Amino acid sequence: SQQGEEDPQALSIQEGENATMNCSYKTSINNLQWYRQNSGRGLVHLILIRSNEREKHSGRLRVTLDTSKKSSSLLITASRAADTASYFCATETGANSKLTFGKGITLSVRP
Amino acid sequence: NAGVMQNPRHLVRRRGQEARLRCSPMKGHSHVYWYRQLPEEGLKFMVYLQKENIIDESGMPKERFSAEFPKEGPSILRIQQVVRGDSAAYFCASSPPGGLAGLNEQFFGPGTRLTVL
Repeated sequence: SQQGEEDPQALSIQEGENATMNCSYKTSINNLQWYRQNSGRGLVHLILIRSNEREKHSGRLRVTLDTSKKSSSLLITASRAADTASYFCATETGANSKLTFGKGITLSVRP
Repeated sequence: NAGVMQNPRHLVRRRGQEARLRCSPMKGHSHVYWYRQLPEEGLKFMVYLQKENIIDESGMPKERFSAEFPKEGPSILRIQQVVRGDSAAYFCASSPPGGLAGLNEQFFGPGTRLTVL
């Protein structure tokens, strides 16, 4: 199985609700990052949380990191239809800073 | 400051032809990463380059694939004798030089979508 695994695989919510996505990983990391990808497009970096941080906020986004459980969560509050996209967690490991991505979570926000 | 640029955005090749994908990192960035994304999958690391050096190519297929990042000009990912299984989106990312591991964000380009007929 992969270094980064997100769950659920797909999430459908109503506009205004909160969306919570989870990511688990296996090895020690330098940091964990969340990206968004709209269908057929490139990746947009959302947030980076370092291994010595536990929580980070950016606008409507809140990311937590639990290194003891090797897991992270991404919370999007007050979701909007424009948040509809695939969301990926990626872990950075080692000295070369390469990223290992999960398969992604498909989020659908219904207007 | 322009972002990471990749061209072409879409590339169609017939089996057996060569594909050349280009990546121009952000200004001032000397680290380039290439990733491949198969349909409905996450990105998979292929290779990490600094100017004129391949640092980590552990994700590159052993045959037909090569990458370079010359002193001048863009980074090139080259796929020889393409096969249908090479059809994917290829993303390039760049990051600035120096800095400690764990502190540098990678900035992604829009990707090149390769279709092999």
